[in-house]
Amino acid sequence: DQQVKQNSPSLSVQEGRISILNCDYTNSMFDYFLWYKKYPAEGPTFLISISSIKDKNEDGRFTVFLNKSAKHLSLHIVPSQPGDSAVYFCAASRFRGGADGLTFGKGTHLIIQP
Amino acid sequence: GAVVSQHPSRVICKSGTSVKIECRSLDFQATTMFWYRQFPKKSLMLMATSNEGSKATYEQGVEKDKFLINHASLTLSTLTVTSAHPEDSSFYICSARIGENEKLFFGSGTQLSVL
Repeated sequence: DQQVKQNSPSLSVQEGRISILNCDYTNSMFDYFLWYKKYPAEGPTFLISISSIKDKNEDGRFTVFLNKSAKHLSLHIVPSQPGDSAVYFCAASRFRGGADGLTFGKGTHLIIQP
Repeated sequence: GAVVSQHPSRVICKSGTSVKIECRSLDFQATTMFWYRQFPKKSLMLMATSNEGSKATYEQGVEKDKFLINHASLTLSTLTVTSAHPEDSSFYICSARIGENEKLFFGSGTQLSVL
């Protein structure tokens, strides 16, 4: 029973364009959402988060949008750069701070083409 | 920035043996450490949560006698896979949390292969 779903295993985007990674969740108890980025042979690193009381959070080239009624969030990266090529995981928690651990999606492999 | 060190990165063992994986927080004291497992083409699945000095809390379906977690100090947590079998072959990764910080820091993971 996948509570956090990333339905696109991979995404290819041209350098300079916008990358949009999508994530859906089913558990209405989730209150906090995070995006992690992972390079091969490394652990995931935190990218950006959003609380359910907001619908948008921006940090530099990264913006996360949350549509709570649709149980959907997305990560926008603009402009996309070659160093952005990695696997991106969407994660959710019932509590700020992830006190209950995080529930992850399967990840989306983003490939930025020159 | 904060770093979580996880060792070994890869281990191959015979069926029936036990394997210990270490997770250390290098720059900070981790109040909570989480252990995850990832099977191929699946998402990271939380196995257990451990707080320093107390027993770990295991997720449903995770055998506590098989996956022994020790969190003896604020900087070290270990996961021991006891009497490993081929079905235990997986990618194991730890993460550490500082206080109420939501930015969990992850180790680099351990790929376990049981022959």
